[in-house]
Amino acid sequence: AQSVTQLGSHVSVSEGALVLLRCNYSSSVPPYLFWYVQYPNQGLQLLLKYTTGATLVKGINGFEAEFKKSETSFHLTKPSAHMSDAAEYFCAVSDNQGGKLIFGQGTELSVKP
Amino acid sequence: SAVISQKPSRDICQRGTSLTIQCQVDSQVTMMFWYRQQPGQSLTLIATANQGSEATYESGFVIDKFPISRPNLTFSTLTVSNMSPEDSSIYLCSAPGQSNTEAFFGQGTRLTVV
Repeated sequence: AQSVTQLGSHVSVSEGALVLLRCNYSSSVPPYLFWYVQYPNQGLQLLLKYTTGATLVKGINGFEAEFKKSETSFHLTKPSAHMSDAAEYFCAVSDNQGGKLIFGQGTELSVKP
Repeated sequence: SAVISQKPSRDICQRGTSLTIQCQVDSQVTMMFWYRQQPGQSLTLIATANQGSEATYESGFVIDKFPISRPNLTFSTLTVSNMSPEDSSIYLCSAPGQSNTEAFFGQGTRLTVV
């Protein structure tokens, strides 16, 4: 069985500061890992994904994440937060069943001016 | 990427009634997925909608409560039956992209049961 744990249901940073959202996963097979963002009253937008190959993946809006197998982690980072980054972020794992995902609990990111 | 259209975007329904949510994908896909997002919570998979066969339900979800149709490779419906206030949630459908790895989501249906 697969599972995802996001550490911290709420993270607050100042504008221009580093964003770090933590995600740890459990999987009995090589995982596919994803980060999604959800803005208020909207659906989910794919930020980035890791399937195979390079462990540091870059996504949209300046976000990136690094797959660390030894730590079973896939933390999301952005060097400099922007006010528009305020949203809910979800980490998800898949065993590649054609888009079937298991989601973490979500982390709400607040950005202070 | 896949473009997914979902409707209605929101509805307010009386308890005991049913609501059918429609999901249209702009390309043919083998599987579509339905999720529920309860207020302030994460997404939970309800079922996988397979074309030409019965939907596959996750633990805790049953066909009588959430019947699903999948008449072709681009369309699916989810019905929330005999609704109660506990069914108030956002319901989202998703479908895989061309690489068949990531999932793309509709905008969701925000359901309030009164």
